Amino acid sequence: GIQVEQSPPDLILQEGANSTLRCNFSDSVNNLQWFHQNPWGQLINLFYIPSGTKQNGRLSATTVATERYSLLYISSSQTTDSGVYFCAVETIFGGGADGLTFGKGTHLIIQP
Amino acid sequence: GAVVSQHPSRVICKSGTSVKIECRSLDFQATTMFWYRQFPKQSLMLMATSNEGSKATYEQGVEKDKFLINHASLTLSTLTVTSAHPEDSSFYICSAREAVGGGTQYFGPGTRLLVL
Repeated sequence: GIQVEQSPPDLILQEGANSTLRCNFSDSVNNLQWFHQNPWGQLINLFYIPSGTKQNGRLSATTVATERYSLLYISSSQTTDSGVYFCAVETIFGGGADGLTFGKGTHLIIQP
Repeated sequence: GAVVSQHPSRVICKSGTSVKIECRSLDFQATTMFWYRQFPKQSLMLMATSNEGSKATYEQGVEKDKFLINHASLTLSTLTVTSAHPEDSSFYICSAREAVGGGTQYFGPGTRLLVL
């Protein structure tokens, strides 16, 4: 099956700093989503971004499908940004019925 | 929009009992629903895919007789953990998708199952 690797696994930053989270995947995808999992376990949809660039406030994401990677940018970090960030992909071969394969996540801690 | 609910949010049961978890898409019709499991400090793993009116497709290593999935309508899927054991204790999360063949998956808030 498809492999999804996220880096770094852990990241500790001071409030106000910027960060870049990376997601590499091993095969062609027709779905790529970034999530933030809050302390209660809820997965918050950040971006649906199988290709291209999107921005939402302090967050933006870019997926270069031909090179099989995606980047999530967080600017001016706040303590509420802390948590685990997951990248998840779906291959083009499943016809939309394969479900998402998740990376292991990046555990982000923003210190005041 | 695109809200998915799960019930219950947490459940504690005795070993050997069965537990049913409901997943509902509140403001859209879900052609496909997915069930995932997450153990502590680990990532999410897909358990099964369910389409309304048809049998669920299970991932390798997931026992279909233990994890019964029923996708009875376009807004409701249920996961029943039969004869639960302590090793079934986990965080179970469902997701739903409106579009056929792709598109965003929207996730429910999850159900924490503790089997004593």
